[in-house]
Amino acid sequence: SQTIHQWPATLVQPVGSPLSLECTVEGTSNPNLYWYRQAAGRGLQLLFYSVGIGQISSEVPQNLSASRPQDRQFILSSKKLLLSDSGFYLCAWSARDRGRDKNIQYFGAGTRLSVL
Amino acid sequence: GEDVEQSLFLSVREGDSSVINCTYTDSSSTYLYWYKQEPGAGLQLLTYIFSNMDMKQDQRLTVLLNKKDKHLSLRIADTQTGDSAIYFCAETLGGGFKTIFGAGTRLFVKA
Repeated sequence: SQTIHQWPATLVQPVGSPLSLECTVEGTSNPNLYWYRQAAGRGLQLLFYSVGIGQISSEVPQNLSASRPQDRQFILSSKKLLLSDSGFYLCAWSARDRGRDKNIQYFGAGTRLSVL
Repeated sequence: GEDVEQSLFLSVREGDSSVINCTYTDSSSTYLYWYKQEPGAGLQLLTYIFSNMDMKQDQRLTVLLNKKDKHLSLRIADTQTGDSAIYFCAETLGGGFKTIFGAGTRLFVKA
């Protein structure tokens, strides 16, 4: 069966410090991978998605970057965190082989990031 | 533009039915989804409906789709306290890689 791991679960970082959040998927190959941010009272904002190793699409201009060094590994990074980067970050995957446009996403448990 | 809208809060009594409503904008969407998020956790798929269907029933859950009005609803029969969570409506845009989520409806179930 497929599983998705996301860590750490909670992170408190000072403004200006770097960030690295990691997400790995097991039990599937060639997944589509996603990073979302969830702010309080707001929906999920898609930050990045990837359809293959080294292929990253950015949805919004921001202080963050993403990388996919391996097929089932997705990393969210920042060189210098801002206060506005605080939020709940969710990684998700979906299967490459699926019915047309059926993009069921499977989510990790999330990382709550507080930038102080 | 791409947008999914839903009300932010709903409060019901235990045993009553809950109806969560959603409107979407992309007429090319072929699949629409309902996800559930429990406190401090990721989202889990509850159910989905293909755009050529009007209704889908799965145990206590009933999804109704009105393509003309771009309106999607989720009905939970016999709502239990364990149903308290945030429910997200979502649509996959034509092309299939991007899924747009609403802001989520927080369901409170009173005992």
